[in-house]
Amino acid sequence: DVKVTQSSRYLVKRTGEKVFLECVQDMDHENMFWYRQDPGLGLRLIYFSYDVKMKEKGDIPEGYSVSREKKERFSLILESASTNQTSMYLCASSSAGTVNEKLFFGSGTQLSVL
Amino acid sequence: AQSVTQLDSQVPVFEEAPVELRCNYSSSVSVYLFWYVQYPNQGLQLLLKYLSGSTLVKGINGFEAEFNKSQTSFHLRKPSVHISDTAEYFCAVTKGSGNTPLVFGKGTRLSVIA
Repeated sequence: DVKVTQSSRYLVKRTGEKVFLECVQDMDHENMFWYRQDPGLGLRLIYFSYDVKMKEKGDIPEGYSVSREKKERFSLILESASTNQTSMYLCASSSAGTVNEKLFFGSGTQLSVL
Repeated sequence: AQSVTQLDSQVPVFEEAPVELRCNYSSSVSVYLFWYVQYPNQGLQLLLKYLSGSTLVKGINGFEAEFNKSQTSFHLRKPSVHISDTAEYFCAVTKGSGNTPLVFGKGTRLSVIA
């Protein structure tokens, strides 16, 4: 069964901490994405990557960075967490050349910043 | 840029009744359209997609949607809902060319009442 695995289901951090959210996929997908999901706002794209060491800003990249050192792993980094980054974070992947016809999502990480 | 508007944030419906979840899109170019479903405490999964061809597309779990270019709509329908259809549903759009990320709507929470 194909999988996108996010390292933590729930995470509680303090304001100002550096936070790493990890995502691993086992489908050999080229494309990987980070979205955040907030009630009433739906999913908003933070960053995406179409290849190793490649990254592109999405619609709301401020306060975030990403790392893709290996094809299967895409990390989201909050350099200095703030309370407005409390949210559900969803990682997704898809294969190249499919015009993102089908995204595979992880179960999400609910991050609370206190 | 592409965008989608989901016209209802919440839709309550009785079991075995029909349901329609509405989605309108905005784009100056051709588009691909999608519906994703998120069951409680799970990631999103693809319900159905329109890429080209027949404007009526069928998806999993008895759902279908119709692409209407003149009305820029892609409404999701099911003739008879079950309790297990209770979930959040997201409409999404991407450009019909190139490898661009999906843009999601704000979601519609479908609650099926016994």
